[in-house]
Amino acid sequence: EVQLVESGGGLVKPGGSLRLSCVASGFTFSNAWMTWVRQAQGKGLEWVGSIKTKTDGVTTAYAAPVKGRFTISRDDSKNTLYLQMNSLKTEDTAIYYCIIECTSTICAPGWGQGTLVTVSS
Amino acid sequence: DVVMTQSPLSLPVTLGQPASISCRSSQSLVHIDGNTYLNWFQQRPGQSPRRLIYKISNRDSGVPDRFSGSGSGSAFTLNISSLEAEDVGIYYCMQGTHWPRAFGPGTRVEIK
Repeated sequence: EVQLVESGGGLVKPGGSLRLSCVASGFTFSNAWMTWVRQAQGKGLEWVGSIKTKTDGVTTAYAAPVKGRFTISRDDSKNTLYLQMNSLKTEDTAIYYCIIECTSTICAPGWGQGTLVTVSS
Repeated sequence: DVVMTQSPLSLPVTLGQPASISCRSSQSLVHIDGNTYLNWFQQRPGQSPRRLIYKISNRDSGVPDRFSGSGSGSAFTLNISSLEAEDVGIYYCMQGTHWPRAFGPGTRVEIK
């Protein structure tokens, strides 16, 4: 069974930093493109960014609102996905989820419980 | 960037009746690998989202067969053949073909 467990959220002041983690199990993590998605309170789902596999060059892509401030990385030896968030803004306040990208190699479902990031002074 | 639209945004349905949600993309979602990466997600009140359908019409394991997906190119539909109380929630389509990825605004399904 696919499991994704996010952690690392919390309260941070504007301009601060936070690193989120997502530990994966139940599938071959190293073969999966992974994605971060966020959801502000009462709002819809927003794609944050994605990372490809080592085979595909560990290429990353980011949404415009976070580009240059957020960095996605992965440690395949630990089955863990990371989201480094710098220069945080109040509008980054949201629940952050990691999910598996559907590609021609892997198309497994799975959402974790998410981790709440609150940016406030 | 690809823009995803959904209609209606709110859908009151009588229990036992069918429901249909439309999702359209501003560009074709056919990938160069031949697949069309159009997914449907359900978010029940107070819960994390979960995927129902991937690549237009493939149901995920454990998803009731009253849910079905169809479409091609840039026009897609999620159908619920007979609404049950547990189906109340918000439904999102998402494209995974083009960068940046994009979700639709969501359709709120409620009991009439």
